[in-house]
Amino acid sequence: AQSVAQPEDQVNVAEGNPLTVKCTYSVSGNPYLFWYVQYPNRGLQFLLKYITGDNLVKGSYGFEAEFNKSQTSFHLKKPSALVSDSALYFCAVRSDTGGFKTIFGAGTRLFVKA
Amino acid sequence: GAVVSQHPSRVICKSGTSVKIECRSLDFQATTMFWYRQFPKQSLMLMATSNEGSKATYEQGVEKDKFLINHASLTLSTLTVTSAHPEDSSFYICSAREPQGSRTEAFFGQGTRLTVV
Repeated sequence: AQSVAQPEDQVNVAEGNPLTVKCTYSVSGNPYLFWYVQYPNRGLQFLLKYITGDNLVKGSYGFEAEFNKSQTSFHLKKPSALVSDSALYFCAVRSDTGGFKTIFGAGTRLFVKA
Repeated sequence: GAVVSQHPSRVICKSGTSVKIECRSLDFQATTMFWYRQFPKQSLMLMATSNEGSKATYEQGVEKDKFLINHASLTLSTLTVTSAHPEDSSFYICSAREPQGSRTEAFFGQGTRLTVV
């Protein structure tokens, strides 16, 4: 069975500081990993994905994520946070053998203080 | 990225009535669409997988007679909440994926806030 864990309900960071939002996963087969961001009363916006290749993936709005197979992690990072980055972030996983069903983590709320 | 449009964005209905939510893929054909439900401050719960031209596949615990899904064309899936009750109030989100091509991520509609009074 597939699962995703986002251990932090909330992450607080000062503007200009680096941010990390953690994600670990469990999947049979090879993982397809995704990060999405959600603003209030909106759907999800795609940030980045890992399918294969380089472990460091760069995405939208300066975000990046590092795939670590041995630790089954896919943490989201940004070198310098902006107040406008404050939102709800979801990590998601899909198996390369399990059809198109995507499982989401519980979400991590990011607060960036000016 | 590909565009998925969901309508309406907000709806208020009376208990006992039915509400239809539409999900359209605007610039691609989606043989498969997904319906999620999101409770306040919680993650997305997959309700069902909608397949064009065939019956939807419901997740365990989701009442298929209450949440009717129709995927009549390659660009449109509908979710009908029948005989709605206040506990059905939630945020419903659809997503769609291109059937072929290099993009493996799903694209999401903007969501529908359903309030049953």
